[in-house]
Amino acid sequence: EPEVTQTPSHQVTQMGQEVILRCVPISNHLYFYWYRQILGQKVEFLVSFYNNEISEKSEIFDDQFSVERPDGSNFTLKIRSTKLEDSAMYFCASGGALGYEQYFGPGTRLTVT
Amino acid sequence: TQLLEQSPQFLSIQEGENLTVYCNSSSVFSSLQWYRQEPGEGPVLLVTVVTGGEVKKLKRLTFQFGDARKDSSLHITAAQPGDTGLYLCAGDTGGGNKLTFGTGTQLKVEL
Repeated sequence: EPEVTQTPSHQVTQMGQEVILRCVPISNHLYFYWYRQILGQKVEFLVSFYNNEISEKSEIFDDQFSVERPDGSNFTLKIRSTKLEDSAMYFCASGGALGYEQYFGPGTRLTVT
Repeated sequence: TQLLEQSPQFLSIQEGENLTVYCNSSSVFSSLQWYRQEPGEGPVLLVTVVTGGEVKKLKRLTFQFGDARKDSSLHITAAQPGDTGLYLCAGDTGGGNKLTFGTGTQLKVEL
């Protein structure tokens, strides 16, 4: 069964460093998303991406964040200058033609020290 | 800001019991998803409901979408230890299809 994959599973970085989180969505999906979950808190929407552009973003997704689909398979989230409060699980999700059915990857645990 | 409140927050029951988890909002959703999440893993999609009043069954799990599409319930019949986990509802108000997640119900089923 097709699944969303994410790398790395765990990323430790120092405050102020740039990180790139990578995702391979399900191959025939058209909608792509990033969410994050701070330990013990709800899953929060960051950004949605469709037709090679951002369709919606949350207040969390400020100028330090960017997304890219560099080729036909990968979908990346870049944080330019990490802060301590960026420490969280980051989930990539993808959706097919229906859009609202979203399938999540296993997540990347980002720890900023 | 849409809010999805789930109740109960925690539920501990014995194997074989039935249970219902509720997901409520003041917002209308174009669709609502139920997920199950294990510690340290991503949410796994269980079901999607899109029509007011819709009922879907997945083995011992029954999902219902409220007539006004503001609430949903998950009913588990004859719970088993394997049902233990965090159950999340998530609603989509349309547009960019962003999901708003509920507060979660942590279910523990004991032998």
